Amino acid sequence: AQSVTQPDIHITVSEGASLELRCNYSYGATPYLFWYVQSPGQGLQLLLKYFSGDTLVQGIKGFEAEFKRSQSSFNLRKPSVHWSDAAEYFCAVGGNNDMRFGAGTRLTVKP
Amino acid sequence: DAGVIQSPRHEVTEMGQEVTLRCKPISGHNSLFWYRQTMMRGLELLIYFNNNVPIDDSGMPEDRFSAKMPNASFSTLKIQPSEPRDSAVYFCASSTGTGTGNTIYFGEGSWLTVV
Repeated sequence: AQSVTQPDIHITVSEGASLELRCNYSYGATPYLFWYVQSPGQGLQLLLKYFSGDTLVQGIKGFEAEFKRSQSSFNLRKPSVHWSDAAEYFCAVGGNNDMRFGAGTRLTVKP
Repeated sequence: DAGVIQSPRHEVTEMGQEVTLRCKPISGHNSLFWYRQTMMRGLELLIYFNNNVPIDDSGMPEDRFSAKMPNASFSTLKIQPSEPRDSAVYFCASSTGTGTGNTIYFGEGSWLTVV
């Protein structure tokens, strides 16, 4: 069965520092992978997605993610974090009624 | 373009009362989802419609929950009677197509508190 693990429940970084949020997946076939962001009191917004092709995927708000099949990972990165990036981040695998979400990683940004 | 629209955004109700949450999916999307988000269980898929037909309702917690989609632009999730443990954020989402890999677009959620 497919599943997603986000090992870090909470991460704190300083504004301007680089960020990497980890995501590991389990999926029987070619995975469809997503990163969503949820700001406080808001719904989930799609940051980026990977279906096939180039393993480095660019998303909105300066985020990128790299698909590594050998490591079953799809980590999210940003070179310089802004205070407005403070939010909850969800990795997901699959799609439609077969979408599995990770438990989320809460990002705090220090001034 | 308008995204997924949910109402009400916030609702506080007393235990035993009926709660109806409403959703308007993105125009042209033929798949609609209801999710529930809680601290303990994270995001859970409750029910999935395709072309207005319920395809998978295995996530609906119990008979107190029901969902309908009378047409392509409207869906409801009803809880009757409501209980305090139903307090959660309920998200409606929509997508195109039926295959795995279709991006799901979420509404801003309905924040339900049952006291």
